[in-house]
Amino acid sequence: GENVGLHLPTLSVQEGDNSIINCAYSNSASDYFIWYKQESGKGPQFIIDIRSNMDKRQGQRVTVLLNKTVKHLSLQIAATQPGDSAVYFCAENSGGYQKVTFGTGTKLQVIP
Amino acid sequence: DSGVTQTPKHLITATGQRVTLRCSPRSGDLSVYWYQQSLDQGLQFLIQYYNGEERAKGNILERFSAQQFPDLHSELNLSSLELGDSALYFCASSVGVGSNYGYTFGSGTRLTVV
Repeated sequence: GENVGLHLPTLSVQEGDNSIINCAYSNSASDYFIWYKQESGKGPQFIIDIRSNMDKRQGQRVTVLLNKTVKHLSLQIAATQPGDSAVYFCAENSGGYQKVTFGTGTKLQVIP
Repeated sequence: DSGVTQTPKHLITATGQRVTLRCSPRSGDLSVYWYQQSLDQGLQFLIQYYNGEERAKGNILERFSAQQFPDLHSELNLSSLELGDSALYFCASSVGVGSNYGYTFGSGTRLTVV
């Protein structure tokens, strides 16, 4: 069945350091993955996505890596800033009707 | 502003009552999704509508129901409310169905059942 989970519930990083948030998924049929950021009191916000025919995709200060062999997804944030403090969710799309399954989330705390 | 509008932002009601949450999708989006987020929990998929028709169901209780209207706005009805129904309810929308695009989320409705 579908199962998306995260390795670490809370991650604390020093401002300016790089952050790496990890995610494991179990549905090998998933072909589209998304990272969302959710700040306190707000809805999830799209950060970056990656399709299964890629293993790396870069955005502004963020990089997503996909390892289909071990069903692992990671989000790298360069030069982490206080504004990056939030809960980060990985999600996979494995349904023809765009049903996206979310992981439980990792809380990123940036230490000034 | 994400373009997805949810009302009300906050709702406090008593056990046993019924409430209706409303969502207006982003302009041009035909799909609407409802998610429940309990304290310290992830997003639990409830139900999806596409152009007025139900397309997918998740962990939605029988006490809950939803619909999407011709103008594409959607309502989530929660009845016989219990304390455990207290949560954030998010609506998201996307362009279509069957293609892979990310969702756009609203800011949510915080429901408190007392």
